[in-house]
Amino acid sequence: GDSVTQMEGPVTLSEEAFLTINCTYTATGYPSLFWYVQYPGEGLQLLLKATKADDKGSNKGFEATYRKETTSFHLEKGSVQVSDSAVYFCALSDLSGGYQKVTFGTGTKLQVIP
Amino acid sequence: DGGITQSPKYLFRKEGQNVTLSCEQNLNHDAMYWYRQDPGQGLRLIYYSQIVNDFQKGDIAEGYSVSREKKESFPLTVTSAQKNPTAFYLCASSPLAGASREQYFGPGTRLTVT
Repeated sequence: GDSVTQMEGPVTLSEEAFLTINCTYTATGYPSLFWYVQYPGEGLQLLLKATKADDKGSNKGFEATYRKETTSFHLEKGSVQVSDSAVYFCALSDLSGGYQKVTFGTGTKLQVIP
Repeated sequence: DGGITQSPKYLFRKEGQNVTLSCEQNLNHDAMYWYRQDPGQGLRLIYYSQIVNDFQKGDIAEGYSVSREKKESFPLTVTSAQKNPTAFYLCASSPLAGASREQYFGPGTRLTVT
C-alpha cells in the first residue's frame, strides 16, 4: 500500500536558519503530494501541494518539488521565523478502492528559537 | 466564510458512555472524513463518506459509528466499545472532482475519557 516517510523531529533551528524537512513516499498510482501544517491545539492547514512530477508547490516562503525519480517531496524554507514553529505533515493522495485516499506521514515538529 | 466546524473543542466523558462529535461543513464538498490523532503519531482514518447516506470504514473503525443524513454534516459517535477513546479527533472534507482533491480540516475535538 501507499506510505509516507518523513524525518523524525523535533527539529530545532535558530531564527533565519535554513529549513529542510525530508519526505519520501511509495505509491502505486500517480499521487498528488501535500504539506500540511498544524499549530498547537488546532486542525491541519494545507501549506502547499503538487499534483504531478516536477511541479513545485510554494506558499509563505516554503517550497517543495515533486521528484518522481527519487519519490521525494522535501519541504524547504530559506529563513525560518519563530512563528513557523509547528508540526509539519507530508501527505499523498491517491486513488484506492474507488476513493481518493490520503496517507499522512507521522509529522515533524519544528521549533524555532529567537 | 466557508469552512468546517467541529464542536465542542474539548469533551470529557466517563468510561462506558457513548459520545457524539459534531462536524459541519459549508464548502459544498461531497466527501467527508474522520481521523484520529494520538501524540507523536500521524492521522489514522476512522470513517469516510463520499455521498449522503453512504459511508465506508477506514483503517480503525472498530468502536466508532457515523451517519451522513445531510451533505453538510458527518457526526461521529465514539461508543463504549472503543477501548482507548482518549484522543484528538479531526474532521475533514474534500471535493470529489479536481486534480488534487486536497482535504480541508476542522479545528478538532479533544476527547478525554476517564
